[in-house]
Amino acid sequence: EPEVTQTPSHQVTQMGQEVILRCVPISNHLYFYWYRQILGQKVEFLVSFYNNEISEKSEIFDDQFSVERPDGSNFTLKIRSTKLEDSAMYFCASSDLAGGGYGYTFGSGTRLTVV
Amino acid sequence: AQSVTQLGSHVSVSEGALVLLRCNYSSSVPPYLFWYVQYPNQGLQLLLKYTTGATLVKGINGFEAEFKKSETSFHLTKPSAHMSDAAEYFCAVSTYNNNDMRFGAGTRLTVKP
Repeated sequence: EPEVTQTPSHQVTQMGQEVILRCVPISNHLYFYWYRQILGQKVEFLVSFYNNEISEKSEIFDDQFSVERPDGSNFTLKIRSTKLEDSAMYFCASSDLAGGGYGYTFGSGTRLTVV
Repeated sequence: AQSVTQLGSHVSVSEGALVLLRCNYSSSVPPYLFWYVQYPNQGLQLLLKYTTGATLVKGINGFEAEFKKSETSFHLTKPSAHMSDAAEYFCAVSTYNNNDMRFGAGTRLTVKP
């Protein structure tokens, strides 16, 4: 069964450093998403991406965040200057229909720890 | 924007007992509704979904859910709990005209022997 692949599975970074989280969505999917889950809390929407541009973003997705699909395969989330409160599990997802009518397929996540 | 509320952050049942996890949604247009399961240290796995058509939907692992528009609910049930069902369950909502699926706070299901 097709999978969404995320790398790395764990990342530890110093506060103020830039991090890039990488995702390879399912190849024929057109819609891409990033979510985060702070330990023990709910899954929060960050951003959705379609046709090489952001289609929706939440209030969490401020200027320190950016997304990119650099090569038609990877989908990345960049955090420019990490803060302690950015420590969370970050999930990438993809879908083949607007609104996720068939559901989103999620990756296994990247656990980001900011120290 | 659409939202979901999951009643009960923790539910504990005995093995073999009925599982009922509650979800209510809010949406200004017809919703798409989903249940996801998350096992410890893993990602989110789709259990089942409702988009249109039959309001009783069946998913994996013996789970099912019923869309009730009049009650704005999409509760998840399973007739007989198994130890392997212990996990975190998330209800989620999206709509045909947006790309920001929103999740509930989650319900942790514990299954006692």
